[in-house]
Amino acid sequence: DVKVTQSSRYLVKRTGEKVFLECVQDMDHENMFWYRQDPGLGLRLIYFSYDVKMKEKGDIPEGYSVSREKKERFSLILESASTNQTSMYLCASSNPAGGSSYEQYFGPGTRLTVT
Amino acid sequence: AQSVTQLGSHVSVSEGALVLLRCNYSSSVPPYLFWYVQYPNQGLQLLLKYTSAATLVKGINGFEAEFKKSETSFHLTKPSAHMSDAAEYFCAATPHGSSNTGKLIFGQGTTLQVKP
Repeated sequence: DVKVTQSSRYLVKRTGEKVFLECVQDMDHENMFWYRQDPGLGLRLIYFSYDVKMKEKGDIPEGYSVSREKKERFSLILESASTNQTSMYLCASSNPAGGSSYEQYFGPGTRLTVT
Repeated sequence: AQSVTQLGSHVSVSEGALVLLRCNYSSSVPPYLFWYVQYPNQGLQLLLKYTSAATLVKGINGFEAEFKKSETSFHLTKPSAHMSDAAEYFCAATPHGSSNTGKLIFGQGTTLQVKP
């Protein structure tokens, strides 16, 4: 069974803190994604990675960075957390090169609150 | 730019009634299309997908969707709603062809409420 796990389900941080959100997939997928989800706005892509150490900005990268040192792990970093980064963060992975239909597999999400 | 539009941010049906959630895409080339479901405080789970094979696609939990190229639509239906279907539903698309990165374009989501 495919699995994407995220390090925390709920997280509370203070303004200005550096925050790390971790995502691990066990499917040997090439691509990994970080989204944030806010009511009425759907899912917005923050960053994605198509290979180890490779990354590209998504639609809303400001205030975020990412790291992918190993194929199975993709980290989202909030350099200096702000209250407007309070949101649900979702990680996903996919393997379009494997002949699949680009479907993405999602983790359970991390609900981050910045106070 | 390609977009996915879900008509209706909230849909309410009675238990046992037909569920119809609407999705339209904008693309000159028919994309791959997906419906995902999200239960409260969980990640997204794939319901079904269209990959240019059969236009009527059956998914899990009794849901199905029909791809209509002429209408650029991929509406999700279920003949009889169950209380457990209450969730948020997302339509998504990805173009197939060159320079695809595997990214998905999501609609805004539709919250389905099922009344007893």
